Amino acid sequence: SQQGEEDPQALSIQEGENATMNCSYKTSINNLQWYRQNSGRGLVHLILIRSNEREKHSGRLRVTLDTSKKSSSLLITASRAADTASYFCATTTGNTPLVFGKGTRLSVIA
Amino acid sequence: GAVVSQHPSRVICKSGTSVKIECRSLDFQATTMFWYRQFPKKSLMLMATSNEGSKATYEQGVEKDKFLINHASLTLSTLTVTSAHPEDSSFYICSARDQTKGGNTEAFFGQGTRLTVV
Repeated sequence: SQQGEEDPQALSIQEGENATMNCSYKTSINNLQWYRQNSGRGLVHLILIRSNEREKHSGRLRVTLDTSKKSSSLLITASRAADTASYFCATTTGNTPLVFGKGTRLSVIA
Repeated sequence: GAVVSQHPSRVICKSGTSVKIECRSLDFQATTMFWYRQFPKKSLMLMATSNEGSKATYEQGVEKDKFLINHASLTLSTLTVTSAHPEDSSFYICSARDQTKGGNTEAFFGQGTRLTVV
């Protein structure tokens, strides 16, 4: 069964607004990673947060991790039309394969 | 950064034929690679773990005789869809991690292969 569950499944915002996506998982993890996928393409790694970390930033991206609630959030600030894509969280317990959530389809309207 | 190359990106084949998809790690060695399948607007489902020099580990419900995996070298894994049927049409993606960097590293993904069986 899938580990992560993203929320919302779809999100539509105006350019310049912030987009927040949430992810919940079920078991203990080593790290949690966020990926982006443009339609019909491969996945691009965005950010990795370890289980002992609570927050991480990368450019316009901010990721939080709450291991007590088994949840993570991805915030994209000042969104752009080019941010339109599907976003997936994925978890691993180390060298195990990544287990993906269902993804959030983000549409940024110019 | 590390790159995983997947080929072909698109393939159309007739029912009953076999299709081979290649996944290469370009600048790192990968003793383990992962094969995923993705249906339209759905998430990635792990199909199998490809192990260099040994048999692949398949997820429950994935037919190993249908989806043949070979990991003959530290930089190449192949997935062969045998006797393809229209229901095998899907997006297949491979992934690998640079395991010399330990478990807390990102996974790199191939560009994916869009398989259409007619």
